[in-house]
Amino acid sequence: DVKVTQSSRYLVKRTGEKVFLECVQDMDHENMFWYRQDPGLGLRLIYFSYDVKMKEKGDIPEGYSVSREKKERFSLILESASTNQTSMYLCASSSPTTYQETQYFGPGTRLLVL
Amino acid sequence: GNSVTQMEGPVTLSEEAFLTINCTYTATGYPSLFWYVQYPGEGLQLLLKATKADDKGSNKGFEATYRKETTSFHLEKGSVQVSDSAVYFCALSDGTSYGKLTFGQGTILTVHP
Repeated sequence: DVKVTQSSRYLVKRTGEKVFLECVQDMDHENMFWYRQDPGLGLRLIYFSYDVKMKEKGDIPEGYSVSREKKERFSLILESASTNQTSMYLCASSSPTTYQETQYFGPGTRLLVL
Repeated sequence: GNSVTQMEGPVTLSEEAFLTINCTYTATGYPSLFWYVQYPGEGLQLLLKATKADDKGSNKGFEATYRKETTSFHLEKGSVQVSDSAVYFCALSDGTSYGKLTFGQGTILTVHP
């Protein structure tokens, strides 16, 4: 069974802290994605990666960075957390072997920044 | 750019009622269309998809037809159950090998016994 795991389900951080969100997939997928989910806004793409050490900005990259040192792991980094980054963060992965591939999602990390 | 618009929610129904959640899109080229579902406390999972015009996706009693002429992909189910209570997202793929998805805002469905 395909699996995408995220390091934490809930996280509470203080303003200005550096925050790491980890995502691991066991499907050997090339593509990995980080989204944030906010009520009424749906999912918005922060960053994605199509290969190890490769990354591309999504629609809302400001205040975030990412790291992909290994194929199975994609990390989202909040360099200096702010209260407006309180949100649900979802990781997903997919394979480009078919033209219209399906994304597989992790359970999400609910982040509260105080 | 690409965009997806879903009907305003939340939607509240009684068990065995008919469900429609409207979805319209704006896209260049020939996108694929998806419905994802998020059950309470979980991540999103694919419900159904359609890859070209007039295709019908179906799963678990849900159906949606890719209508290019009306740029729509409405989700329907003939008889909902309490277990269908979830958030439903319409999405489209940008057609590149990266498969980036553009999501609608989500529709919360609550089904009462």
